[in-house]
Amino acid sequence: DAGVIQSPRHEVTEMGQEVTLRCKPISGHNSLFWYRQTMMRGLELLIYFNNNVPIDDSGMPEDRFSAKMPNASFSTLKIQPSEPRDSAVYFCASSNTEAFFGQGTRLTVV
Amino acid sequence: AQSVAQPEDQVNVAEGNPLTVKCTYSVSGNPYLFWYVQYPNRGLQFLLKYITGDNLVKGSYGFEAEFNKSQTSFHLKKPSALVSDSALYFCAVRRPESSYKLIFGSGTRLLVRP
Repeated sequence: DAGVIQSPRHEVTEMGQEVTLRCKPISGHNSLFWYRQTMMRGLELLIYFNNNVPIDDSGMPEDRFSAKMPNASFSTLKIQPSEPRDSAVYFCASSNTEAFFGQGTRLTVV
Repeated sequence: AQSVAQPEDQVNVAEGNPLTVKCTYSVSGNPYLFWYVQYPNRGLQFLLKYITGDNLVKGSYGFEAEFNKSQTSFHLKKPSALVSDSALYFCAVRRPESSYKLIFGSGTRLLVRP
């Protein structure tokens, strides 16, 4: 298995634009997590899914953020409209027991 | 509420010396405990886990961790540090009975000097 695959690896966008981050989890894993990492706030859990169903989205910063998991092999995290304070590295992880992380998407909003 | 504390922002150790990175947790029930390592510009990599059984668990790259239920700790250890061990280390906890939520500590930067 290729592991958790995230795309794009880097994204630079202008404030106000829509940003979509993508994640392909490891086949057979039943949980999927979206995390955000910044120097100031560390690693924050944004949302997690179990069997494609959102279980806890209490970490999603505000309504500008949304996440979907239409099937077991794909998830998206969307920010609309984006703001400079959204600049961070966004990680997707999947698990059954231990979590396996993707390489992350480094988002820069200018 | 479950939480994880890593009391040290940074740990400095000389190569060849033993290292310890501390982690304490607060969670009811029987937690699953994990250690992850993050190298620059990379995702987190799984090192080891405690689920049940022997309190001393061994993981990747010569690392081990000791689960201490009375002290609610899960410290990461290595008998002889390498310069290449320099990275950011995260402790994490999960309470399997009620959810799959994985909570991470704030991270500890390990610096191994030659």
